[in-house]
Amino acid sequence: DAKTTQPTSMDCAEGRAANLPCNHSTISGNEYVYWYRQIHSQGPQYIIHGLKNNETNEMASLIITEDRKSSTLILPHATLRDTAVYYCIVRSLEGGATNKLIFGTGTLLAVQP
Amino acid sequence: DGGITQSPKYLFRKEGQNVTLSCEQNLNHDAMYWYRQDPGQGLRLIYYSQIVNDFQKGDIAEGYSVSREKKESFPLTVTSAQKNPTAFYLCASSRARGLAGEYFGPGTRLLVL
Repeated sequence: DAKTTQPTSMDCAEGRAANLPCNHSTISGNEYVYWYRQIHSQGPQYIIHGLKNNETNEMASLIITEDRKSSTLILPHATLRDTAVYYCIVRSLEGGATNKLIFGTGTLLAVQP
Repeated sequence: DGGITQSPKYLFRKEGQNVTLSCEQNLNHDAMYWYRQDPGQGLRLIYYSQIVNDFQKGDIAEGYSVSREKKESFPLTVTSAQKNPTAFYLCASSRARGLAGEYFGPGTRLLVL
């Protein structure tokens, strides 16, 4: 069952910020929001995750709304190498064996020169 | 450097043949996973293992088998019972609770002759 909704594709100009939205209106209180990306023909790459607060690391920022029903991944200065499919995933880390990733179809971000 | 290796990068299977995909990690991770990805689709979980000598079926385990005799290794066998094995196979690992996200290998592309 899909727990997140993302646009199928987005374009972004090189050097500009890329803002990728994700809706997760049925998220539970103990579920985190994770983002991964997959460059063509490679394995997925972990980007960032969060629970309630906004998060930032060397790759991106994650903005989670106060009601936690949606979030936005921000790549502050997109480069051509950021062209990839971006996956938004909600998951609980409790229960050990049940905290598997469930990937949907993601958003294809195309960074244009 | 720590990471996950998968071999081979490409694998060809004849009808009725069993083939084994290798996955090795030197990250000292407890949990390991096998996913399958079909063109234009997200990842689907085949098998996962939270600890040595223990593993559980994922969502599409039919026609596949695994073993976890060592912490570092989680080979996947695609048996002749798997009628549509052509896909991109991805191995991943994580710490037991997976809080920091999964690390993925580069993938093996399996083709049926």
